[in-house]
Amino acid sequence: GIQVEQSPPDLILQEGANSTLRCNFSDSVNNLQWFHQNPWGQLINLFYIPSGTKQNGRLSATTVATERYSLLYISSSQTTDSGVYFCAAYLLGTNDYKLSFGAGTTVTVRA
Amino acid sequence: NAGVTQTPKFRVLKTGQSMTLLCAQDMNHEYMYWYRQDPGMGLRLIHYSVGEGTTAKGEVPDGYNVSRLKKQNFLLGLESAAPSQTSVYFCASSHRTSGLLNSPYNEQFFGPGTRLTVL
Repeated sequence: GIQVEQSPPDLILQEGANSTLRCNFSDSVNNLQWFHQNPWGQLINLFYIPSGTKQNGRLSATTVATERYSLLYISSSQTTDSGVYFCAAYLLGTNDYKLSFGAGTTVTVRA
Repeated sequence: NAGVTQTPKFRVLKTGQSMTLLCAQDMNHEYMYWYRQDPGMGLRLIHYSVGEGTTAKGEVPDGYNVSRLKKQNFLLGLESAAPSQTSVYFCASSHRTSGLLNSPYNEQFFGPGTRLTVL
């Protein structure tokens, strides 16, 4: 199956700082998603990005499928950015369907 | 448009009791999924369904059963709950997946979760 590794496991930021989260995956994928799990446990879709670059406000993501990694950029971080960020990779198979999640990066933004 | 909803939000069971979790979606999605999330871990797929009347096993299916009698609903059942099933359960849905790399139909949308404790 797909192995998904995220780094760093924990990140502490001062409000206003920028940061980069990384997601490495072991096989060629058809789907790569980034999620934010807020302190209340809710999973929020950030990006669906199998390849290329997307931006949404202060967040942006880049996936280089041929090199099997994706990056999530947080700029001018705010306390509301705190939570766990997950990437999930999906490999389309004939008889198998699996979206594999990484263990997450826990981000704490301090005022 | 409520998206993906889950019932109940919280539940406490005793070992050996049974229960059913309900997932409903109003986006006309063909595919539906059940995941569990344990502390410090990402989500793991329990079962999934690619259409009404069909179900398939995911990564951690033991101890669970599912049914998809209606397109918009996906039920997760625990016949005899065990403490190891204490977890947060998430339901998700998507359109029919495509092998095309950038197909928008592969994106999954998640419900708010059900926190289950088995004593």
